[in-house]
Amino acid sequence: KNEVEQSPQNLTAQEGEFITINCSYSVGISALHWLQQHPGGGIVSLFMLSSGKKKHGRLIATINIQEKHSSLHITASHPRDSAVYICAVRSGSARQLTFGSGTQLTVLP
Amino acid sequence: DADVTQTPRNRITKTGKRIMLECSQTKGHDRMYWYRQDPGLGLRLIYYSFDVKDINKGEISDGYSVSRQAQAKFSLSLESAIPNQTALYFCATSDFSNNYGYTFGSGTRLTVV
Repeated sequence: KNEVEQSPQNLTAQEGEFITINCSYSVGISALHWLQQHPGGGIVSLFMLSSGKKKHGRLIATINIQEKHSSLHITASHPRDSAVYICAVRSGSARQLTFGSGTQLTVLP
Repeated sequence: DADVTQTPRNRITKTGKRIMLECSQTKGHDRMYWYRQDPGLGLRLIYYSFDVKDINKGEISDGYSVSRQAQAKFSLSLESAIPNQTALYFCATSDFSNNYGYTFGSGTRLTVV
């Protein structure tokens, strides 16, 4: 079974800070997803990547396949970025995702 | 309208009652999923369906059943609800043509008393 570990579990930052959330997994994968869950509970897909780096606005996701590690970066953080960020992976033969337990991010004004 | 709609949004039910959670989508995706989320735990897969005739159990299917009534509709039933089924439930869809990008519903908060 592919285990997915996220760190940190909780992160508090001041507005404007650069934020990094990490995700490590244990077996080879075909894709990694980053999701965002707001306090109301809804989940939004931020990125899906299988190699390299993707950028969308202030969000950047990177993946290192050899090291089995991905990072989600937020530049110039804002209180509206406060949410739970979830990493999920799909291994080659699996028909579904395995999820990490999430990182609770709080950005203070 | 939302791409993936779950009903109800919130539900309180008594132990032993049968309850159905409904999910409908306008994405045209062929794949649909039911997950539950408990505090401190990752999302866990209950059931998934890759088309109307393809239904599969996930890692925590005991106590649950599903019905894929159409490509756009996927319902989750708790035959006899118990308190440890209190959780946040999510429906999601994905599509091979979108390289498995996922779209989630807004969730159903279920409380079994």
